[in-house]
Formats: sequence, structure tokens, C-alpha cells
Amino acid sequence: DSGVTQTPKHLITATGQRVTLRCSPRSGDLSVYWYQQSLDQGLQFLIQYYNGEERAKGNILERFSAQQFPDLHSELNLSSLELGDSALYFCASSPQREGPYEQYFGPGTRLTVT
Amino acid sequence: KNQVEQSPQSLIILEGKNCTLQCNYTVSPFSNLRWYKQDTGRGPVSLTIMTFSENTKSNGRYTATLDADTKQSSLHITASQLSDSASYICVVSARNSGGYQKVTFGIGTKLQVIP
Repeated sequence: DSGVTQTPKHLITATGQRVTLRCSPRSGDLSVYWYQQSLDQGLQFLIQYYNGEERAKGNILERFSAQQFPDLHSELNLSSLELGDSALYFCASSPQREGPYEQYFGPGTRLTVT
Repeated sequence: KNQVEQSPQSLIILEGKNCTLQCNYTVSPFSNLRWYKQDTGRGPVSLTIMTFSENTKSNGRYTATLDADTKQSSLHITASQLSDSASYICVVSARNSGGYQKVTFGIGTKLQVIP
């Protein structure tokens, strides 16, 4: 158990809908990262927040947005969902803003868009 | 373009044998390189993290090497166990001009250890 929690575990929704994925980082970690992993694909970095502020952006679509709240939990919002958005979405946390610090991954949310 | 290539794509070995996984990268300027183990359907777990000045790092039966000159890394698994069956992912971070870290993931090597 990494100490990072993600909810829900599974999500099934229809195309065009909007969903929110939630992540609670390890106690004391200030950085939260979001990743997408499609079937048999590598992990794609989406976005990073540090202490409430956006820190880095990866391959995040304009239909996706995220935020980190004062209690440090984070939400990833996916809208106008398409079939290709079906994937595992992972959240990770680390204590620092950047550098060679370990990232601790949550168990993931499996999103299925039908 | 920053890239991370891993080989082989998949590997089957007998329990108790050793194996070596390769990672070549073109990420620049280099900041750090990590190896992760990912069991199917679960989040990755960090095995090693190496910066520019480190060329070997061990974590139990896992030993990672880094050659920053040739931009190559390897992960050596000794005396493999059935529980080593997983995907092994190489991740390289670069520091861009804005001071941010750009992270590039390899697609992973799928290792299967059989009895």
C-alpha cells in the first residue's frame, strides 16, 4: 500500500459525459501527478500540481482539467468523453516539487467509455 | 524529441535465472532516471532512482546501471522469482528551460518468470 488513495476504482460512462476522478496523496506529500495508461500502452504524464499550484503539464487534452485543493487532494475532470479516453488513470504523489524523489502511485481508476 | 526506448518488449525466463532489461534514451538535459515495476492493473512501484553522477544502484535482487555518456541504462534481475513477473518501466526526466521537469516514460518490458 503506497498511501495514495484514488476513487472510484472503476467507472463506466457513455460518450459525451463528464467524470471526476479523485486522488488523496500520502500524508505530507505536496506534489500530485496524474497519468493516463491506455491498454498495452505506456504511461502518459498529464499534469502535476505542487501545493495547490499547477507545476508542469504533459500530454493533457483541453477536455481534461485538474486542480489541487487546500487539503492537497486533487481531482481530474474529464469532459466530452470519447471512446479513446478509456484507460487506467493513475495519481502519484511525492514530497517535493521536483528532482530525484520517489513518486508513490495510487491503485488507479479504470475508466470505460461506452 | 525526448524518447525512451526499452528492449526487449517481452521476455520469458525460467525461475532462478538472471535477466537484463535495457533502456536507451535521448532525453536532454538529463535530470534523473527511474526504474519502476508494474504488476498488471496496478500502480507502478519505484525500484531505483539515479541521477547523473550515479552509475549503479541496487535494491535487493534488482541492480540498475546508468551510462550517461551513451545514454543507456540497464536493470539486472538476479535469481528471478515468479513474483518478478510484471512490466518494468524506464522513466527519464529532463529539466527544461522553465525549470520544470519533463518526464518521458518508456513503454516497458513485460517479464514473465515461469516455473
